[in-house]
Order: sequence, then structure tokens, then C-alpha cells
Amino acid sequence: AQSVTQPDIHITVSEGASLELRCNYSYGATPYLFWYVQSPGQGLQLLLKYFSGDTLVQGIKGFEAEFKRSQSSFNLRKPSVHWSDAAEYLCAVLTTSGTYKYIFGTGTRLKVLA
Amino acid sequence: DTAVSQTPKYLVTQMGNDKSIKCEQNLGHDTMYWYKQDSKKFLKIMFSYNNKELIINETVPNRFSPKSPDKAHLNLHINSLELGDSAVYFCASSQIYRDGNSPLHFGNGTRLTVT
Repeated sequence: AQSVTQPDIHITVSEGASLELRCNYSYGATPYLFWYVQSPGQGLQLLLKYFSGDTLVQGIKGFEAEFKRSQSSFNLRKPSVHWSDAAEYLCAVLTTSGTYKYIFGTGTRLKVLA
Repeated sequence: DTAVSQTPKYLVTQMGNDKSIKCEQNLGHDTMYWYKQDSKKFLKIMFSYNNKELIINETVPNRFSPKSPDKAHLNLHINSLELGDSAVYFCASSQIYRDGNSPLHFGNGTRLTVT
């Protein structure tokens, strides 16, 4: 069955430090992958997406993600974290075999220390 | 202009009541969704409509009934509310392209509290 795993429930980093959030997916066909950010009390905002081409994709707010087919991963990175990046980050895969369906991981809560 | 708007933002009600949440999108998308987010932030799909046709119904109790009068609107009606229905409900829309470039656009959520 298709699934998305985000192994880290919580991550704490200091402001200015680098960040990597992990995402692994289970899907037999070509995956279409997304990262969303959810600030407290807010909806979900798309950070970036991968659907073809270059496996390193750039997103908003200085985020990037790298698709690695061999590892079934789509990890999110940022070289220098800002306090405003504290939020919930959700990885998602769009499955296209049969009904189109977006499947989300359980999310990673990022805390940023001043 | 808000792309996906849902109302109300907060809904507090008692067990046994019936309530509705409304959603509208002005993006011209052909597919709309309802997701439920529990207290642990897990986002689970409930329903999906494509051009007013139900295409996904993920083992949601019959007390939940979506209605799509047109492809820009997808409302959610809940009968006989239970404590376990307390959650944040997100409406979303997308335009499905075969190349996969089809991100979801979310509303800001409706926080439902059943007492």
C-alpha cells in the first residue's frame, strides 16, 4: 500500500543552523512529491513539489528538497534556519494508479531555538 | 482573493447536533477534497469530488455527508456529532494534470469542537 513516512516527530535546531527533514515514501510507480508547511493555527502552504526533471527542487522561503529514487526519499533541507520557520512540515505523495490521491506523512514539528 | 475559503473557522457544538462546513474555491480546479486533521496533526483524506462526482470515500461514517452543488463548492454536513469528531477539517482543491504537477491548495481549516 502507498504510504509516506516522516521518521522524526519533533526536531529542534538553533537559529542559523542547517536543517534536514526526512521523508520516505512507498509507491511503485513514479511518485509526485510535495512538501507543505503548516504554521500554528494556519492552513497548509506548499513549499515545493517534484514531478519530473531535476531531482533537486527549489521552493519558497529558501527550502530545497532532493528526490532520491534509490532510497525512496524526498528530504527537505534549508542551509540556515530562521526563527519564523518553526512550524509543522508535512510530506505528501500523489498516487496516480487508479484514483488520484494525496497521501500525507504524519508530519515533523520544527522548533527553532534563538 | 482567497483561493480556497471555508467557513466557519471555528465551530463549537454539543454532542448529537448536526452541523455543516462550507467550502468554495475560485481557482477553477476540477477536484475538491475534505481532509481531517487529528490532534497529532495527522492529515487523513475523507472525501474527494471531481466535477461534482464522488471519487474517494475513505471509510468515513455515514454521519458525514459531502455535497457538491457545482465544481467550485464542496460542503460537509455532519449528523449526530460525537466527541471523536473534534478535529480540524481542511478543504482543498487541485487540478489534476497527467504530469503530476498538481499541488493541493488548502483552505485555512475549520476547528470543530464537540462538547
